[in-house]
Amino acid sequence: DSGVTQTPKHLITATGQRVTLRCSPRSGDLSVYWYQQSLDQGLQFLIQYYNGEERAKGNILERFSAQQFPDLHSELNLSSLELGDSALYFCASSVATASGVFYNEQFFGPGTRLTVL
Amino acid sequence: QQQVKQSPQSLIVQKGGISIINCAYENTAFDYFPWYQQFPGKGPALLIAIRPDVSEKKEGRFTISFNKSAKQFSLHIMDSQPGDSATYFCAASTNTPGGTSYGKLTFGQGTILTVHP
Repeated sequence: DSGVTQTPKHLITATGQRVTLRCSPRSGDLSVYWYQQSLDQGLQFLIQYYNGEERAKGNILERFSAQQFPDLHSELNLSSLELGDSALYFCASSVATASGVFYNEQFFGPGTRLTVL
Repeated sequence: QQQVKQSPQSLIVQKGGISIINCAYENTAFDYFPWYQQFPGKGPALLIAIRPDVSEKKEGRFTISFNKSAKQFSLHIMDSQPGDSATYFCAASTNTPGGTSYGKLTFGQGTILTVHP
């Protein structure tokens, strides 16, 4: 158990809908990362937050957005869902110092499997 | 520039044998190279990691070999066991603040390892 929790475990929805995935980082970790895992694209970085602020963006679609709350949990919002958005979505967290230096060791949650029908 | 190439895609070894998975990268700014192990239905779990100031790191049956000049690194699993059967991912990131790869992990495509009893 990595200490990172994600809910829900499974999500089945229809095209055009909007869903919210939730992540709680390990206790004390200030940095949260979101990744998408699909058969054709592999594991792809989406976005990173540090202590409530967006720090880096990867291959994240404009239909997707995220935020990190004062209690450090994070939510990934996916809207106008398409069949191709079906994938596993992982959250990871890592330690970061107060000055914003990130330690690279990232610990992954169990993921949310999204199925768009 | 951002890619990490992993081979082979799949690997079958006998119990007690040595499993070897290779990765190559292009971005010379990468300075952190972890390997993750993923079982079906689970999130990636950090297995072992290396930084480019050493050429080899060993933890139990798992060894990373790193060749900075060739921009390659590999995972060796000694005395492979059926319980090692999983998908293995190499990854890379940079610990240099401000760089485009800072913090985020760039993953290889994964290797499905099967260890026969």
